[in-house]
Amino acid sequence: SQTIHQWPATLVQPVGSPLSLECTVEGTSNPNLYWYRQAAGRGLQLLFYSVGIGQISSEVPQNLSASRPQDRQFILSSKKLLLSDSGFYLCAWSASSGRGEETQYFGPGTRLLVL
Amino acid sequence: GENVEQHPSTLSVQEGDSAVIKCTYSDSASNYFPWYKQELGKRPQLIIDIRSNVGEKKDQRIAVTLNKTAKHFSLHITETQPEDSAVYFCAASISGGSYIPTFGRGTSLIVHP
Repeated sequence: SQTIHQWPATLVQPVGSPLSLECTVEGTSNPNLYWYRQAAGRGLQLLFYSVGIGQISSEVPQNLSASRPQDRQFILSSKKLLLSDSGFYLCAWSASSGRGEETQYFGPGTRLLVL
Repeated sequence: GENVEQHPSTLSVQEGDSAVIKCTYSDSASNYFPWYKQELGKRPQLIIDIRSNVGEKKDQRIAVTLNKTAKHFSLHITETQPEDSAVYFCAASISGGSYIPTFGRGTSLIVHP
């Protein structure tokens, strides 16, 4: 069965510091990968998605970036955090297109607080 | 692009009552509609989904109905229990391609004992 991991689970960072959040998926190959952000009490904001190694699409222009160095690894980064970057960051995966198995499955999330 | 409206934003019911959450979508090409439940501080988890070739789907106390003509779909929870309290998200998407679902803004369901 497939498993998705995220770390760290929680993170407190000062404004202006860098960020690196990691997500890995087990039990599947060539997944679609996604980063979402959820502000407190709010909905799901899609930040980035990737359909393959090195292929990143950005949905929202901001000070965040994403990379996919390996097939089942997705990294979210920032060079300088802003207060507005605080939130619950969720990684998700879905099976490659064309097989009728498009359901997204979410990781446990990283709660980020920028002070 | 696709637009998904979800109502109500908050729903308060007594234990044992039924709860209904409604979503409308704009893109007639959308053909896959999942529902997620997110408990406080946890990840969204898929609870039920429906494809456009089906009008209704049930799983124990939850059901989803789809009206393609009107472009709306609904989540029905019967005999609600306190553990049903959570935020529920609907989504609409098109199978294939890069698969980017559009989510509703969520409904906070509160079930009072």
